[in-house]
Amino acid sequence: GAVVSQHPSWVICKSGTSVKIECRSLDFQATTMFWYRQFPKQSLMLMATSNEGSKATYEQGVEKDKFLINHASLTLSTLTVTSAHPEDSSFYICSARDGREGGGLSPLHFGNGTRLTVT
Amino acid sequence: AQKVTQAQTEISVVEKEDVTLDCVYETRDTTYYLFWYKQPPSGELVFLIRRNSFDEQNEISGRYSWNFQKSTSSFNFTITASQVVDSAVYFCALSEAAGRRALTFGSGTRLQVQP
Repeated sequence: GAVVSQHPSWVICKSGTSVKIECRSLDFQATTMFWYRQFPKQSLMLMATSNEGSKATYEQGVEKDKFLINHASLTLSTLTVTSAHPEDSSFYICSARDGREGGGLSPLHFGNGTRLTVT
Repeated sequence: AQKVTQAQTEISVVEKEDVTLDCVYETRDTTYYLFWYKQPPSGELVFLIRRNSFDEQNEISGRYSWNFQKSTSSFNFTITASQVVDSAVYFCALSEAAGRRALTFGSGTRLQVQP
């Protein structure tokens, strides 16, 4: 089945630094990828929709200058958390849909997530 | 606006018991899709099932079964003869059929299966 790879799995960084998270679709092309954030014991909240070759679409309340998204190719989207603060510590998960899957709307396939800890 | 409600925050059962996880959704769309995902302690999200709004047939896959009722806007998930490996957080999710088609997730139900 479709595989989405996310890297790194976890990262610890100091407050004020930037962290880049990569999301790759390994065996399919994805014109759209979705970035979610999950706080401990909470649900997944959509942060932004990453569009290949164009600007990302951010959800209300998500700072686009803080969470930079680049979708430069059909298999790679990156999320950069700039000037990270402890409150940015969370589990970030990317997802993509394999358009080749039939039967209507294909499910989102998720990466394994990145646990970010900002000290 | 879309909304998914999973009223059960946490459920604890003993192995071999049957358990039903509830999901109620709200949407103005006439065409939409419903999903269930499993998130084990390791964190990855595992796709379990997809159902479109025109298909109200119940589905069974091994020990898993799903009951979709449009009349009550519910899409419940039953695990028969639960096992310890079923322990995880289960999310119900909703997507519009057109447009961006991102998933809106419920708050999740944490299932603990005791040996």
